[in-house]
Amino acid sequence: SQELEQSPQSLIVQEGKNLTINCTSSKTLYGLYWYKQKYGEGLIFLMMLQKGGEEKSHEKITAKLDEKKQQSSLHITASQPSHAGIYLCGADKGGLDDMRFGAGTRLTVKP
Amino acid sequence: EAGVVQSPRYKIIEKKQPVAFWCNPISGHNTLYWYRQNLGQGPELLIRYENEEAVDDSQLPKDRFSAERLKGVDSTLKIQPAELGDSAVYLCASSLRDTQYFGPGTRLTVL
Repeated sequence: SQELEQSPQSLIVQEGKNLTINCTSSKTLYGLYWYKQKYGEGLIFLMMLQKGGEEKSHEKITAKLDEKKQQSSLHITASQPSHAGIYLCGADKGGLDDMRFGAGTRLTVKP
Repeated sequence: EAGVVQSPRYKIIEKKQPVAFWCNPISGHNTLYWYRQNLGQGPELLIRYENEEAVDDSQLPKDRFSAERLKGVDSTLKIQPAELGDSAVYLCASSLRDTQYFGPGTRLTVL
């Protein structure tokens, strides 16, 4: 089965700093999803990437899927306390079948 | 538009007791998922429904877990009897095409 490794496991940054979270797959990624989760809440969909080299942005968050489609990165520019939470990457085989998630990266943003 | 609704949000029971979780997906979403998320880990799929049919229940511990989705809308996940290791957050998600939308989850504590 497909395994997803996220790094780092946790991250503490000062407000205003940039940061990057990585998601590495043991197999080719067909659909790569980024979600954010706050404690005690469900997952909030951020972005989906499908094509090698694809890059998507939403507000100050940018996600990329590398050309070989085995790694994705999530970059936050000028972090704010509202960005704090757990970021999870998920991957499927295409069509949302057999969805797998990484263990998550816990982000803390210090004011 | 209302999101995925789950209840209860929290449940504390003693081991060997039964427990049930309810999920109401986003209107029109044919696919419904139940996930279990252990502390510090990503969600793991338990069962996936296409309308009222369970199309993937390979990860559902069938000796104690059961699920149903009557009429292809709401779904119920049951554990009977619960064990200490069942303590986790149980997430429900629904999808129409290429994105899963998650509910807030039910946090189960088994004492």
